Amino acid sequence: SYVLTQSPSVSVAPGQTARVTCGGNNIATKNVHWYRQKPGQAPVLVLYNDSDRPSGIPERFSGSSSGNTATLTISRVAAGDEADYYCQVWDDNSDRPVFGGGAKLTVL
Amino acid sequence: QITLKESGPQVMKPTQTLTLTCTFSGFSLTTGGVGVGWIRQPPGKALQWLGIIYWDDDKRYSPSVQRRLTITKGTSKNQVVLTMINMDPVDTATYYCVHTRRGFGAFDMWGQGTMVTVSS
Repeated sequence: SYVLTQSPSVSVAPGQTARVTCGGNNIATKNVHWYRQKPGQAPVLVLYNDSDRPSGIPERFSGSSSGNTATLTISRVAAGDEADYYCQVWDDNSDRPVFGGGAKLTVL
Repeated sequence: QITLKESGPQVMKPTQTLTLTCTFSGFSLTTGGVGVGWIRQPPGKALQWLGIIYWDDDKRYSPSVQRRLTITKGTSKNQVVLTMINMDPVDTATYYCVHTRRGFGAFDMWGQGTMVTVSS
């Protein structure tokens, strides 16, 4: 089955740019979706299809995908961006979704 | 505006059967392409997809729970029901219902989640 790998933690200073990565075999051939989960809250979709933003998600959130790595980029990071971030793809072979293990973004 | 809300027991004993109801608004499960899924999250752990039911009653289940899980449309047109038999303490988690569309691949709206604790 398809596996997505995320580094467990990412730290960044306020105002800087955070990059959260998601690894998977030929992930660039799949649509990657990203979710933000703040403590005690349900996840929220922040990017879909690699780089599209749902309504209400600021332009500071962007995404890209190449080869075996997809990246969620958050520019001008603020304390309110502290959260767990999950990547997800749809595995066409099994017709089932796959989630990464999540990455905790800490704003120093 | 799409909303979803999960309801069901908060505490249960091992071997019991879990029944959770997802009550939604803002969309219809009779509309082509629409799907409602279930995702759970054990305390401090990652998201685990459980299953999904589509407008045409097509269903997909995670292999890890397939033998114990059934997802059905509720008697009310705006409800989806999750049934999981033989609950175990490892099933302790927050259970979310989610909205999606066939071919979209992402879960664009989530319920607030309901915490289910399995303990003897």
